[in-house]
Amino acid sequence: AQTVTQSQPEMSVQEAETVTLSCTYDTSENNYYLFWYKQPPSRQMILVIRQEAYKQQNATENRFSVNFQKAAKSFSLKISDSQLGDTAMYFCAFMKLHNDMRFGAGTRLTVKP
Amino acid sequence: GAGVSQSPRYKVAKRGQDVALRCDPISGHVSLFWYQQALGQGPEFLTYFQNEAQLDKSGLPSDRFFAERPEGSVSTLKIQRTQQEDSAVYLCASSEDRSRTDTQYFGPGTRLTVL
Repeated sequence: AQTVTQSQPEMSVQEAETVTLSCTYDTSENNYYLFWYKQPPSRQMILVIRQEAYKQQNATENRFSVNFQKAAKSFSLKISDSQLGDTAMYFCAFMKLHNDMRFGAGTRLTVKP
Repeated sequence: GAGVSQSPRYKVAKRGQDVALRCDPISGHVSLFWYQQALGQGPEFLTYFQNEAQLDKSGLPSDRFFAERPEGSVSTLKIQRTQQEDSAVYLCASSEDRSRTDTQYFGPGTRLTVL
């Protein structure tokens, strides 16, 4: 079974600083997808970034980037120039082809002014 | 355009009651997913529809849980004879095409509390 582990239940960062959220996963598949979702206190999950395992280049979306290490089964999220609006729960998720999405337990990020 | 909407936002039920949770996906989205999110946990997959066809219900925890999408748009998740362990946030998500790997857009969820 595929499992997703987020080892940091809570993190905090000063506004404008950079923070990295960790995620590891376990799979025997070669082709799969990885995601980071943000869930603000309003509760609506929002996709932050996605990565296809067959792509070696790390995905980036503005201030958000990932460090995808396929051999190590690691998929960390880096948030640069943190903003107050980045305060939220962040979930790492794994999906193998044509299957359901598996989420980690989440990391609660607080951006401090 | 309008996103995924869910109703009610909050539902309190007495143990043993039946509940029905509604999801309105983004118009034209083919795929629809239901998830259960327990307090302090990540969402867990319940079931998946492609149009009106329920293609995967492997995540439904018991036969008390039933989902339908009769016309391929609005979906309803029904829980019969609710138990305290059913208390959770129920999230609905939709995606544009048939591929399960397409980006999923989530609704705000329904928080169910079973007393």
